Amino acid sequence: DQQVKQNSPSLSVQEGRISILNCDYTNSMFDYFLWYKKYPAEGPTFLISISSIKDKNEDGRFTVFLNKSAKHLSLHIVPSQPGDSAVYFCAGRSGGFKTIFGAGTRLFVKA
Amino acid sequence: SQTIHQWPATLVQPVGSPLSLECTVEGTSNPNLYWYRQAAGRGLQLLFYSVGIGQISSEVPQNLSASRPQDRQFILSSKKLLLSDSGFYLCAWTSPTNINNSPLHFGNGTRLTVT
Repeated sequence: DQQVKQNSPSLSVQEGRISILNCDYTNSMFDYFLWYKKYPAEGPTFLISISSIKDKNEDGRFTVFLNKSAKHLSLHIVPSQPGDSAVYFCAGRSGGFKTIFGAGTRLFVKA
Repeated sequence: SQTIHQWPATLVQPVGSPLSLECTVEGTSNPNLYWYRQAAGRGLQLLFYSVGIGQISSEVPQNLSASRPQDRQFILSSKKLLLSDSGFYLCAWTSPTNINNSPLHFGNGTRLTVT
C-alpha cells in the first residue's frame, strides 16, 4: 500500500525557471509533511516541511504547498539552479515515529 | 551541533554471511534512531526505530535485526544475508522533543551488495 506517491519519476527544467515537484498521499492521518533532497551515494538532506494545519511554507527558493482536500502537496523551486539536480523525496508522518516516503522524483536542471 | 556517522560506506558480502552496520550520533542525548533501506529505484522503507536503549520496534518482517546497546549507537545486523538484502541502508535520528515536528536527519548511508 503506497501511502505516498510521486507519480513523476523524472522532471527536466531549464535553469532559472520554476521546478514543480508533485506528491499525493492517501493517509488522512498524516499531520506533518517533509521534502528531502538526495544526491547519489549520500543520505537524504532535509529541505522543508509543512504541518497539516498550514497550506504553505516558504524558505528561500523553496515553497511547499499543501492541499488537504485533494491530499496533494507540491514543492516549488524558484529559480531553479543546476545544483538543484538531485532526487527529491516527499514524505508524510502520523504519530511521530513513522515517516513514510515516496519513491522520489529525479530533477534535472539544465544550464 | 549534531552529527551522525554511519559505516562502512560500501560493503560487498556473500550470501549467507553475517552483517553488522553501525551508526552513532553525536551532539544530542536520547535521540530517536531509525534504520531505513532504499532498494534500487524505490523509496525509503522504514525497517526499525528506537526510542531508547534496548527498545526496538520492527516495521517489516525480514532477515534483519537491530540493537541499541548505547544511547547514541544503533546497529543493524543479520545472521545470514540473502540476495534480497542488497540495497542502500540509511541511519537517521530525530530529536526526542517535539517529535511530531522534528525532521529526520540522515547519515550518508551504506551501499550493501550481497553476491
